Amino acid sequence: DIQLTQSPSSLSASVGDRVTISCRASQSISNFFHWYQHKPGQAPKLLIYAASSLQRGVPSRFTGSGSGTDFTLTISSLEPEDFATYYCQQSYSSPRTFGQGTRVEIK
Amino acid sequence: QVQLQQSGPGLVKPSETLSLTCTVSGGSISSFYWGWVRQPAGKGLEWIGRIYSSGITDYNPSLKSRITMSVDTSKNQVSLKMTSVSAADTAVYYCARVGGYAMDIWGQGTTVAVSS
Repeated sequence: DIQLTQSPSSLSASVGDRVTISCRASQSISNFFHWYQHKPGQAPKLLIYAASSLQRGVPSRFTGSGSGTDFTLTISSLEPEDFATYYCQQSYSSPRTFGQGTRVEIK
Repeated sequence: QVQLQQSGPGLVKPSETLSLTCTVSGGSISSFYWGWVRQPAGKGLEWIGRIYSSGITDYNPSLKSRITMSVDTSKNQVSLKMTSVSAADTAVYYCARVGGYAMDIWGQGTTVAVSS
């Protein structure tokens, strides 16, 4: 199985901060890589697909980058509604694994 | 727009079978993969597996011996069955459409508790 390791596991930030979350794959996965936002009591929401493509309706403050084994999700200016847990996922091979999550909390 | 509505019991007894259904509205089930994901309380997301509209399946090896996914194109439904459940299967279960390679539309989630 391909392992995805996110860092950090959690972070505290303020509204307006720039936030960066990283995800490293245990082997090259090209750009078969996606980011999701998950809030308590809600379904996960696709933010970025194919490493850097913004899902329709997602604000442009979210950007994804990377290819191969190293990927990054950046929130350019944190909004109150962005406090959530973020997961990466690979769809290069089965099983389609997720990272362990990064919790973004209010400072 | 496409919406996924999940249904199924919220309580299952140990050793019995968990059965969940995902009904797709606003679009066809055809020509897509449909996936299942779960989240135990306090833990991360776990990929359970996926099924194509033709019935081709792809299961997580860690659960493969206990799960069966199926599609009913006449009802626009996807189903998940998990046998011999235990407390470790207590989780929120989600169905989702796989659009391209990512899970782009999700059901609302079903909280399933395994308890006698």
